Amino acid sequence: DAGVIQSPRHEVTEMGQEVTLRCKPISGHDYLFWYRQTMMRGLELLIYFNNNVPIDDSGMPEDRFSAKMPNASFSTLKIQPSEPRDSAVYFCASSFSQGRELFFGEGSRLTVL
Amino acid sequence: KQEVTQIPAALSVPEGENLVLNCSFTDSAIYNLQWFRQDPGKGLTSLLLIQSSQREQTSGRLNASLDKSSGRSTLYIAASQPGDSATYLCAVKGQDYGQNFVFGPGTRLSVLP
Repeated sequence: DAGVIQSPRHEVTEMGQEVTLRCKPISGHDYLFWYRQTMMRGLELLIYFNNNVPIDDSGMPEDRFSAKMPNASFSTLKIQPSEPRDSAVYFCASSFSQGRELFFGEGSRLTVL
Repeated sequence: KQEVTQIPAALSVPEGENLVLNCSFTDSAIYNLQWFRQDPGKGLTSLLLIQSSQREQTSGRLNASLDKSSGRSTLYIAASQPGDSATYLCAVKGQDYGQNFVFGPGTRLSVLP
């Protein structure tokens, strides 16, 4: 398996623009997680899905953030409109069942100017 | 609310030395604990996962121990190598369904040749 695949790896955009980050989890994994990593706050859970259904989005910072998982092999995290404080590395991770080993993607480094 | 800390924040050792990384958590009602490695600009790679009923797990030169009652885990690295240089994070999952992994801030390890 190729592992968790994220795109784009790097995104530079201007404040106010829409940003869409994409994730393909490992085949057969039924949990998908979106994390954000910054120097100040470390690794934070934004939202997670089980069998394509959002279970807990309490970590999503505000309404500008939204996430979808239309099928078992694809998820998106959207920020609209983006702000400079959204600059961070966004990770997608998947696991087979909750509490099992987590597999992370390489991350999407977002810079909002 | 579970809080996870890691001491030290950074560590520099000469090649060949044995070393210990520490992870502390405030709520001992955990389901399991994972140790991860993160290389610069990369995602997290799971190293070891310890279930709450286990005392330790070993993989090659790595040995992780868990003492739930005291809220501590240690990652022991034997005969360190420059290739071990990375940031090491621990993550704890609570017992309740729906609780997800809470990550520590990490220890940045440098192994000098």
